[in-house]
Amino acid sequence: AQKVTQAQTEISVVEKEDVTLDCVYETRDTTYYLFWYKQPPSGELVFLIRRNSFDEQNEISGRYSWNFQKSTSSFNFTITASQVVDSAVYFCALSEAGGGTALIFGKGTTLSVSS
Amino acid sequence: DAGVIQSPRHEVTEMGQEVTLRCKPISGHNSLFWYRQTMMRGLELLIYFNNNVPIDDSGMPEDRFSAKMPNASFSTLKIQPSEPRDSAVYFCASTSPERYNEQFFGPGTRLTVL
Repeated sequence: AQKVTQAQTEISVVEKEDVTLDCVYETRDTTYYLFWYKQPPSGELVFLIRRNSFDEQNEISGRYSWNFQKSTSSFNFTITASQVVDSAVYFCALSEAGGGTALIFGKGTTLSVSS
Repeated sequence: DAGVIQSPRHEVTEMGQEVTLRCKPISGHNSLFWYRQTMMRGLELLIYFNNNVPIDDSGMPEDRFSAKMPNASFSTLKIQPSEPRDSAVYFCASTSPERYNEQFFGPGTRLTVL
């Protein structure tokens, strides 16, 4: 069965601190996708990144970076120099490869960034 | 382009009443998903459709819940009769094969059953 674990329920940091959100997944599939979504206080779900299981290259997008390690079944998300606007709930998710399959979400990590 | 559209955005109803949630996916997307978000259970899949055909409804809580997708541009999720434990935010999402399962979510419907 597929499962996503986000062990950190809540994280609080001060602006400009770096923060890493952990994600560990379980799947028997050899090919799969991993995702991160952001849910700001307004409630919508915003796509941040998708990673294919065969691509372990790390990715950086501005202040955001993602570290994918198949050996430890982890897909961690780091925000560098955090800002108040980063305050949100962040969800890691997993799906089978191929289009049109459901996302299995972790419970989410609530990030609070204070000024 | 318009994103996924859901209506109503908020619904308050009394226990026992029928509730219908509506979703219009992004034009050209052929997969549609209904998710429910609660504090206790987080985000969980209820049902999804590919090309208007239900593929997996194992997440539908019980017979009180039903979903339809009569055409590529419209889906409904119905709860009859509603119960207080159905109170949640219901999200609709859509995607297409070219998106490699990147799902676009609607704004959600916040349902409160009194």
